[in-house]
Amino acid sequence: GENVEQHPSTLSVQEGDSAVIKCTYSDSASNYFPWYKQELGKRPQLIIDIRSNVGEKKDQRIAVTLNKTAKHFSLHITETQPEDSAVYFCAGNNDMRFGAGTRLTVKP
Amino acid sequence: DAGITQSPRHKVTETGTPVTLRCHQTENHRYMYWYRQDPGHGLRLIHYSYGVKDTDKGEVSDGYSVSRSKTEDFLLTLESATSSQTSVYFCATKGQHRDTQYFGPGTRLTVL
Repeated sequence: GENVEQHPSTLSVQEGDSAVIKCTYSDSASNYFPWYKQELGKRPQLIIDIRSNVGEKKDQRIAVTLNKTAKHFSLHITETQPEDSAVYFCAGNNDMRFGAGTRLTVKP
Repeated sequence: DAGITQSPRHKVTETGTPVTLRCHQTENHRYMYWYRQDPGHGLRLIHYSYGVKDTDKGEVSDGYSVSRSKTEDFLLTLESATSSQTSVYFCATKGQHRDTQYFGPGTRLTVL
């Protein structure tokens, strides 16, 4: 079955720095790659997604890049702010298999 | 939040008792999912539904059953709860021609 590996499991950055989280997947048939943000005690919410016919997508301070050949995709957050602190999840297998999550802490 | 509610939001029960969690949606989404969330494991799919009375197993389906008798409701049943089923359970929905899942607020279940 599909495996989705996510790294790192924890990430601590200084406010204003960039953060990068990477996911690898195994199912070549996957063609939709979302990223979710989950704040403490809240539900996961989609923040950005990318489809396999696109290599990069950007939305203000966040971007996602996809390398289908290498089967990995990454979340990039620039100019991090304390409110970016949360757990971030990637998903593969068309959104039915999630990575284990990355806890991002942005220090003011 | 795609009009998704879950009930109950919190439940404490004892080992061996049956438990049913309810997911209700008002968006007429075709697909519905049940996940459990545990530290270090992210979200793991228990069961999903692709239409009324159409369901299938996910990654961690043992000990769980589901039913979907109408579009808006998806029930998750633990026939005989065990301590290993202590978790936070999330329901999610997805429209027929969309990729994005929308999550409910979650149910925290504790099995003593």
